[in-house]
Amino acid sequence: NAGVTQTPKFRVLKTGQSMTLLCAQDMNHEYMYWYRQDPGMGLRLIHYSVGEGTTAKGEVPDGYNVSRLKKQNFLLGLESAAPSQTSVYFCASSYTGGSDTQYFGPGTRLTVL
Amino acid sequence: EDKVVQSPLSLVVHEGDTVTLNCSYEVTNFRSLLWYKQEKKAPTFLFMLTSSGIEKKSGRLSSILDKKELSSILNITATQTGDSAIYLCAVDHSGTYKYIFGTGTRLKVLA
Repeated sequence: NAGVTQTPKFRVLKTGQSMTLLCAQDMNHEYMYWYRQDPGMGLRLIHYSVGEGTTAKGEVPDGYNVSRLKKQNFLLGLESAAPSQTSVYFCASSYTGGSDTQYFGPGTRLTVL
Repeated sequence: EDKVVQSPLSLVVHEGDTVTLNCSYEVTNFRSLLWYKQEKKAPTFLFMLTSSGIEKKSGRLSSILDKKELSSILNITATQTGDSAIYLCAVDHSGTYKYIFGTGTRLKVLA
């Protein structure tokens, strides 16, 4: 049981480049989330999904897109990276939404130059 | 606007001390409050508190929910260097699937 995995672990981009972060879970969870964590800001929700084929905006969705084509995978895309998107990105999943434990991946540290 | 505020922002103690971390919240239709511990990487789950479960304990850690004061405390007794971490509080409210996180309390325990 790998739990929640994220790839890549680190990435450096130049302004304007694009990339996709992959989150995978093997716990058959319905709900998946993408957060970013910045110093002094805590975890902020970017997008989330309540099931395969669904996505919804979180607190800070601008500049990001997501897709949930398969239940076990949740992709976060940056179409045109900006320095303000330098952050640590965490994926999480839970069996149900609300009042349920979220399991987090190890994080992806992204730097945009 | 829904928000979660944690205090203090950081704390330095010596091994053996007892610490109390605070989390206060303003959310509509509160449903649950969760505590997480974050060491170098991913947050790991500690406790969930709801209206039907306002006190939890696990070893040296315990947590209480005060629904009247809209707050929760996390107590750690006989602290150890391994307790050094960021402690995060998150709140969810019915009607959404979203959790609101506080900024965390950074705890450092000195040997």
